[in-house]
Amino acid sequence: NAGVMQNPRHLVRRRGQEARLRCSPMKGHSHVYWYRQLPEEGLKFMVYLQKENIIDESGMPKERFSAEFPKEGPSILRIQQVVRGDSAAYFCASSAQGASYTFGSGTRLTVV
Amino acid sequence: GESVGLHLPTLSVQEGDNSIINCAYSNSASDYFIWYKQESGKGPQFIIDIRSNMDKRQGQRVTVLLNKTVKHLSLQIAATQPGDSAVYFCAETINQAGTALIFGKGTTLSVSS
Repeated sequence: NAGVMQNPRHLVRRRGQEARLRCSPMKGHSHVYWYRQLPEEGLKFMVYLQKENIIDESGMPKERFSAEFPKEGPSILRIQQVVRGDSAAYFCASSAQGASYTFGSGTRLTVV
Repeated sequence: GESVGLHLPTLSVQEGDNSIINCAYSNSASDYFIWYKQESGKGPQFIIDIRSNMDKRQGQRVTVLLNKTVKHLSLQIAATQPGDSAVYFCAETINQAGTALIFGKGTTLSVSS
């Protein structure tokens, strides 16, 4: 069991570029959550997905951010036209219904 | 809301001491609580959880206490070791509804030898 896999571990983008962050949940987990962590702060919820469905996106910025969890393949968090304020660590977690959450090691996005 | 003075952003202890980390949660409907440990450059690591039908749960060297009356959660670490140095977060959710985890403010634990 490889756990929750996130890639890339580190991502550098210039302002205005697109960032794509990938998350493969643990085997058997159908729930995926994305969180953002700014330096010296806690994790802030962004979006909760199940296969092919967005369940709760109340924590997602209204513009430039989108997420998907297709029937096949990893969940993708996409940030268009990145700005310096998007620099953060982005964590993915997965769970089965009613079970505990497992986090990945995160993707550290730096916008230059 | 959070109880003033309950949460400490940092805690420094000597190796071998017991540590107590406190957390105030926000939603009285939350029924599942988790403590996570986060080391520098890593993702949150599960330590221990507790459901709302319990008020205490013990693991290896760790104990979680839940007081639903005042919406307070605490993590006790026995015989703290240098390897316990990390940031500790509590998190809450309404588990059966499949809602997302909401994290509290972290506490940085520093253990000196």
